This record gives sequence, C-alpha cells and structure tokens, in this order.
Amino acid sequence: SQQGEEDPQALSIQEGENATMNCSYKTSINNLQWYRQNSGRGLVHLILIRSNEREKHSGRLRVTLDTSKKSSSLLITASRAADTASYFCATAVGTPKLIFGTGTRLQVFP
Amino acid sequence: DTGVSQDPRHKITKRGQNVTFRCDPISEHNRLYWYRQTLGQGPEFLTYFQNEAQLEKSRLLSDRFSAERPKGSFSTLEIQRTEQGDSAMYLCASSPPPPSGGRDEQYFGPGTRLTVT
Repeated sequence: SQQGEEDPQALSIQEGENATMNCSYKTSINNLQWYRQNSGRGLVHLILIRSNEREKHSGRLRVTLDTSKKSSSLLITASRAADTASYFCATAVGTPKLIFGTGTRLQVFP
Repeated sequence: DTGVSQDPRHKITKRGQNVTFRCDPISEHNRLYWYRQTLGQGPEFLTYFQNEAQLEKSRLLSDRFSAERPKGSFSTLEIQRTEQGDSAMYLCASSPPPPSGGRDEQYFGPGTRLTVT
C-alpha cells in the first residue's frame, strides 16, 4: 500500500520557473526522502529530511517537513528541461524499507 | 560502473512459466531491497535482506515469489507460475550498513521489466 500521496499528480512549467510538489503521509516517520525517476537514469535519491528537521537545502532543491500535518514539500528553483521526470516522496517508518507515494510527473518546457 | 546492476533488463514470458531475476548491489552495501512498480504508481516494497538474512517480507510477496541472497552479495528473485498481474518493473536497491553517517538513502538499479503474456 502507498503511504504517501503527492500533489499535484502532474505539473507543467517553463524553464526558469519554480516547481513545487507536495507529499502527505499517514503515520509517524523516521525520515522522508525524495527521489526522481526518469527513463534514462532510473530512481535517483535527491534529498533526505529527518523527522526532527523542518527544512533542508541541496543545490536548487528545498525540502520542508511539517510532522504535525504529516506533509512535506519539494521546491525546485530555476527549473531546467533536464528536471523533467517523476518525483516521489518515500518514508521510512521503523524499518529500513521505504514506502513510496504515488508521484508527481513534472514536465519542464524549454 | 559500480552502481546496482540488474539482469535481465527485460523479460517476456508466458503465463505459467517461472522467471528469475538477479541483482548485484554496490559491493560495500550489506542491505538489499526488492520493490515492484506498476505503471503510474510508486515502487512498492517486497522484501529486504541484511547480509544473507531476509529480515522483512511484504504481504505482496505471495508464496509464488521467493528471494534469496545466499552469500550476502547478489540476490535473486524468482516468480513461479507467473500471472498477467505480475507484469511490472522489478527494482532492486542497496544501502550501506548503519551507522551510515546519516545516509539512509537507497541506491536503485535500472530495474527488470517483466511482461507476462
């Protein structure tokens, strides 16, 4: 079963714009991770935020976590055509396995 | 390339046949995971190993599915008597042993796409 749900399911933007996608989950977590998947490179880890953290940055990525609302957001700034992919949030709950959300399909037009 | 590798990349089989997939993790990683992903969905956890021990199995892993990691290195996933509903991408991932300096991320292979006709 899926733990998280991403919103929106699909997002289309122009290069240079920012992209924001949200993830909601159901149970308490140890950490929340974001992954990117495209046909060329498979699933790639982007960033991890622990349950006691509220915000984290990595390059053009900014992740926030609100454990009271059981939600997270991923912001990609100054998007590029190469950012076109599906983005998944994944939660770790007590064991090393990951529980993935349903994904957001991002299309960045040049 | 020292990433996670999977073989084969694609497999087409007829319903009722058995199939076996192989995963080679990153060499220093002691944890290995199997996930299944269907079109338009996120990956779903199937099972994971720590060294050669299978520590957790999902309810998705019916008795037709069996996974092994006999020497704590590569792993195989076998599906017996395949059904059309088994058609999916089967993903393997690995992660380093704890403590991992806060790096709990998993490294995924390219997947094996199974089509059952």
